[in-house]
Amino acid sequence: ETGVTQTPRHLVMGMTNKKSLKCEQHLGHNAMYWYKQSAKKPLELMFVYNFKEQTENNSVPSRFSPECPNSSHLFLHLHTLQPEDSALYLCASSHRERGNTGELFFGEGSRLTVL
Amino acid sequence: DAKTTQPPSMDCAEGRAANLPCNHSTISGNEYVYWYRQIHSQGPQYIIHGLKNNETNEMASLIITEDRKSSTLILPHATLRDTAVYYCIVRVAKTNAGKSTFGDGTTLTVKP
Repeated sequence: ETGVTQTPRHLVMGMTNKKSLKCEQHLGHNAMYWYKQSAKKPLELMFVYNFKEQTENNSVPSRFSPECPNSSHLFLHLHTLQPEDSALYLCASSHRERGNTGELFFGEGSRLTVL
Repeated sequence: DAKTTQPPSMDCAEGRAANLPCNHSTISGNEYVYWYRQIHSQGPQYIIHGLKNNETNEMASLIITEDRKSSTLILPHATLRDTAVYYCIVRVAKTNAGKSTFGDGTTLTVKP
């Protein structure tokens, strides 16, 4: 139990569907992140949110739409995905206060399959 | 952030110490060394970090050379559950943790 919870753990969707991934952290952190991990590839940072504001978008296609309503919750809205978007999507959080060395806490991930 | 180099794979016998090396020859004075591991199909898990002194916690020990150009993560008594990919990352501590670069890591296989 890392204090970061992701739902659903597994998701299968068609290319025309709209679905959302949810992440919730119970650690009092103020920064949250979405990563993508495709088979046999390193983790790719997708989005960064600091104090609910998006501060980084690493050239992610618009079919992925993040939302951060508060510092504890992060969503990734998915629409018109492609089969190559099938991957493990990981949420992480960290604390950005002064003096904190800012290790990352990850959720278990949401395994997405696009048919 | 400095680049790290790790061997792609290592084996270790159950109950023995696992020593995982990492080279970071271009590390800057304000960059910490972090270690994470990722068990198959789960999210990465933070293990330990250090600046220049050796560190120990309930999971592992971190030995950093005096010139800080390399480090070793030590799992003192490896178990089958320690089979995972281990990532060595160097990063300025107070920058955004999410910008940590996870490379290919070392796949550690603990064998009975």
